[in-house]
Amino acid sequence: TQLLEQSPQFLSIQEGENLTVYCNSSSVFSSLQWYRQEPGEGPVLLVTVVTGGEVKKLKRLTFQFGDARKDSSLHITAAQPGDTGLYLCAGAYAGNNRKLIWGLGTSLAVNP
Amino acid sequence: EAGVAQSPRYKIIEKRQSVAFWCNPISGHATLYWYQQILGQGPKLLIQFQNNGVVDDSQLPKDRFSAERLKGVDSTLKIQPAKLEDSAVYLCASSVTGTATGELFFGEGSRLTVL
Repeated sequence: TQLLEQSPQFLSIQEGENLTVYCNSSSVFSSLQWYRQEPGEGPVLLVTVVTGGEVKKLKRLTFQFGDARKDSSLHITAAQPGDTGLYLCAGAYAGNNRKLIWGLGTSLAVNP
Repeated sequence: EAGVAQSPRYKIIEKRQSVAFWCNPISGHATLYWYQQILGQGPKLLIQFQNNGVVDDSQLPKDRFSAERLKGVDSTLKIQPAKLEDSAVYLCASSVTGTATGELFFGEGSRLTVL
């Protein structure tokens, strides 16, 4: 059963455009992580959010955790070809802090 | 600091043959994970070890997949016999704490093609 839904599944944009990727669930998470995976590599952690309403910024990337801790978003400003990759969200349920639930990912292509 | 090491990077086998993948986690990381990743999708947890004990193997197809972590360090994942649907990238990851809030460090993966 897929409990973390990511949208869109695929995204192809031009360099300089802005984009937002969403991660949604019907369940409450105690924390949520965002990873980026480049072709031929393993995923690399971008950020962990733990507090409802939390906003974290990493250069041109802005991450937000929903107030109810059921959803999260990743916004990229002025996308660059180096942002190309698979963006994955992974959440931990409240009450089971050892199990990480993964989304299917958003495949982003930024064209020069 | 050395990262998670995996081998082989690529393996092509015929269906019904066997294959083994090896993983050396980051030194000092107590928790080791094996994930299966179909092209373009998120990782699916196969098994999670805490030191040399199994924490979660609920999604491991135990009739054909096995994994061990001797002495709480290196780990081996074996598939026998392989099926066409086993074609995927097998990712090994390790973490310090084993809690879901901790960072997972992934290896580059072992890409398996079953013909």
